Amino acid sequence: DAGVTQSPTHLIKTRGQQVTLRCSPKSGHDTVSWYQQALGQGPQFIFQYYEEEERQRGNFPDRFSGHQFPNYSSELNVNALLLGDSALYLCASSLARGLYYTFGSGTRLTVV
Amino acid sequence: RKEVEQDPGPFNVPEGATVAFNCTYSNSASQSFFWYRQDCRKEPKLLMSVYSSGNEDGRFTAQLNRASQYISLLIRDSKLSDSATYLCVVITSGTYKYIFGTGTRLKVLA
Repeated sequence: DAGVTQSPTHLIKTRGQQVTLRCSPKSGHDTVSWYQQALGQGPQFIFQYYEEEERQRGNFPDRFSGHQFPNYSSELNVNALLLGDSALYLCASSLARGLYYTFGSGTRLTVV
Repeated sequence: RKEVEQDPGPFNVPEGATVAFNCTYSNSASQSFFWYRQDCRKEPKLLMSVYSSGNEDGRFTAQLNRASQYISLLIRDSKLSDSATYLCVVITSGTYKYIFGTGTRLKVLA
């Protein structure tokens, strides 16, 4: 299956720590978007990467940063973790001008 | 005001019932619309796109009203397996990012 792969699936971190989440896009897709989904809420857009650059960004602080590699995979980094960063982090891949996303199964981050 | 708003529910309906969800959006430049389904603790999955003329896929019907800036989803003959959260998604012209509503929870009861 050449769907979107995210790692790790679950993670527990302490306040103030840093975390890196990883995403491999669906085969053939070149654009990666990251979303944060808090409990009981819809996914919130963090940012989107295309051609190794951040193409769009949502209303998230600079503690949230990312990277896209030449093979289109991507990382999401969060510094100085807060309790409120506890959420499901979803990665979605698409084509550059495509409207259809494929979502990964997410990374569940718990900050204690 | 949120860009995309949905009634969070939950909607508790008996098997076989018809249920409808609405979603309103604030940006008149919104150009593309979808309904996604999300099961508990899983990723969202595309249920259907929403076209201006309305579209149907089996028991599911989606409608778009651009003048009033809302989309709707109708589920006929509800099944237990329809129990999930239904997320409304809007894409604004010139962007490729999904804007999600908060989701509407549906529970179909036996």
